[in-house]
Amino acid sequence: NAGVTQTPKFRILKIGQSMTLQCTQDMNHNYMYWYRQDPGMGLKLIYYSVGAGITDKGEVPNGYNVSRSTTEDFPLRLELAAPSQTSVYFCASSYERGRKETQYFGPGTRLLVL
Amino acid sequence: AQKVTQAQTEISVVEKEDVTLDCVYETRDTTYYLFWYKQPPSGELVFLIRRNSFDEQNEISGRYSWNFQKSTSSFNFTITASQVVDSAVYFCALTLTGNQFYFGTGTSLTVIP
Repeated sequence: NAGVTQTPKFRILKIGQSMTLQCTQDMNHNYMYWYRQDPGMGLKLIYYSVGAGITDKGEVPNGYNVSRSTTEDFPLRLELAAPSQTSVYFCASSYERGRKETQYFGPGTRLLVL
Repeated sequence: AQKVTQAQTEISVVEKEDVTLDCVYETRDTTYYLFWYKQPPSGELVFLIRRNSFDEQNEISGRYSWNFQKSTSSFNFTITASQVVDSAVYFCALTLTGNQFYFGTGTSLTVIP
């Protein structure tokens, strides 16, 4: 299994540009998440999904959109990029077995908005 | 209000020492989950554990152990016989039903060989 993959690894955007961060998992997990991590900080949840066709907002959804048309893919769309969106973006997926949950993270996408 | 406090910003230990990372949380909800994550210098994120609020049983996984005490609202993480590979930033997090996540600011652990 490749686990959770993210593309691109790094991107520079100009203010006002748009882009899609790709996230794919091959573990058939229902739960998927998008987080951002600003320098020296912990994670903030942007959006999450509990299954194909179902998405919901996290703590910081403004300026982002997501879709979940398949179990495997959970792309994050940035519209009208702003310098405040400069961050590292992590995608994750998880499953529950009994009372235990296990999460897997992608390697992250570093985004710089200038 | 929900809050996670990791009061230890940085900790340095000599290899083979035991080290405990503190995590104190605040919530009025009775149902919640607590997490620990590891972020090595490479920047990747590694999930370590999830504990739900109804399960106060302590857990051990190899050299790692977690002590959950609702009476003190703490979920502390101990590494026994630390190794250089344990050097990382460790984050504690709290989630409630509805998937609202609250992360601590992290504790940077350096294990000196």
